[in-house]
Amino acid sequence: ETGVTQTPRHLVMGMTNKKSLKCEQHLGHNAMYWYKQSAKKPLELMFVYSLEERVENNSVPSRFSPECPNSSHLFLHLHTLQPEDSALYLCASSQDSGSYNEQFFGPGTRLTVL
Amino acid sequence: DAKTTQPTSMDCAEGRAANLPCNHSTISGNEYVYWYRQIHSQGPQYIIHGLKNNETNEMASLIITEDRKSSTLILPHATLRDTAVYYCIVRVVDTGRRALTFGSGTRLQVQP
Repeated sequence: ETGVTQTPRHLVMGMTNKKSLKCEQHLGHNAMYWYKQSAKKPLELMFVYSLEERVENNSVPSRFSPECPNSSHLFLHLHTLQPEDSALYLCASSQDSGSYNEQFFGPGTRLTVL
Repeated sequence: DAKTTQPTSMDCAEGRAANLPCNHSTISGNEYVYWYRQIHSQGPQYIIHGLKNNETNEMASLIITEDRKSSTLILPHATLRDTAVYYCIVRVVDTGRRALTFGSGTRLQVQP
């Protein structure tokens, strides 16, 4: 248990569906992240939020839309996804104090796009 | 951030020390060495980090060479639950650069 929870843990969706992934951190951190891990590929950073403001966006397609309503919650809204978007989506948080910035990861959401 | 090179896979007998090497020959003076691991189908877990001195915590020890061009993560008494992919990451720590850049890591298999 890392203090970062993600729901749902598994999601199957069609290409025309709209769904959302939710992440919640109970650590009092002020930075949150979305990473994507496709089969047999390294983790890729998607988005970074610091103090609820998006500070990094790694050329992610617009069919992925993040939302950070407060420092404890992070969402990833999904619409018109492609089968190649099937992956493990990981949320992480850290204390953005400019120091060591250890990141705590959630268990991930395993997404399958049919 | 400096590039790292790790072996693709390693085996270790249960109860023995696991020594995982990482090469980071282009590391600069303000870059730290971090280690994370990822057990199958879970999120990565922080293990340890260091700048130039050797570090030890309840999980592992980190040995950094004097020239800082390589390091070794040591799990002193490996158990089956230590089977995972281990990532060595080198990065500058500042408020403008927060994300971790993961490579392919080393897949450690602890054998009974």
